[in-house]
Amino acid sequence: DVKVTQSSRYLVKRTGEKVFLECVQDMDHENMFWYRQDPGLGLRLIYFSYDVKMKEKGDIPEGYSVSREKKERFSLILESASTNQTSMYLCASSSAWLVGGYTFGSGTRLTVV
Amino acid sequence: SQQGEEDPQALSIQEGENATMNCSYKTSINNLQWYRQNSGRGLVHLILIRSNEREKHSGRLRVTLDTSKKSSSLLITASRAADTASYFCATDAYGNKLVFGAGTILRVKS
Repeated sequence: DVKVTQSSRYLVKRTGEKVFLECVQDMDHENMFWYRQDPGLGLRLIYFSYDVKMKEKGDIPEGYSVSREKKERFSLILESASTNQTSMYLCASSSAWLVGGYTFGSGTRLTVV
Repeated sequence: SQQGEEDPQALSIQEGENATMNCSYKTSINNLQWYRQNSGRGLVHLILIRSNEREKHSGRLRVTLDTSKKSSSLLITASRAADTASYFCATDAYGNKLVFGAGTILRVKS
């Protein structure tokens, strides 16, 4: 069963902490994405990657960075967590030609206190 | 840069009825996709329709696409309580990067 695995379902962090959200896919997909989802705002793209060591900014990259050292792993980093980064974070992957659409992980609900 | 807009925002129906959700978008697309999200979980891909297709079926799902009106509809026939979820349309107006709408919340009452 192919899947995208996010390391944590729930996470509570303190303001100012550096936070790492990990995402691993086992489908040999080229593309990987990080979205955040907030009520009434839908899904907003933070960063995406088309290949190893490659990254591009999405619509809301401020306060975030990413790392893709291996094809199967895409990490989202909150450099200094703030309360307005409390959200549901969703990782997704897809083949280069979007065959079969995106495969999403189960999400990480992050609370910054 | 929200591309897709779903309508209605929320829909409540009885089990066995059909549910119709609509999506409008702004720019030319290669394909449009529909996803389902159960509460607090990730999204699940339901169906993809390409810009040169007008209608597509998958089980109890029927999707239509009207590129002249830049709109799509998702019909779920004979709905079940298990269909209760949020439904999102997504478009690929920007290459491999999908842009999602805000979603329609569907509640199917048993």
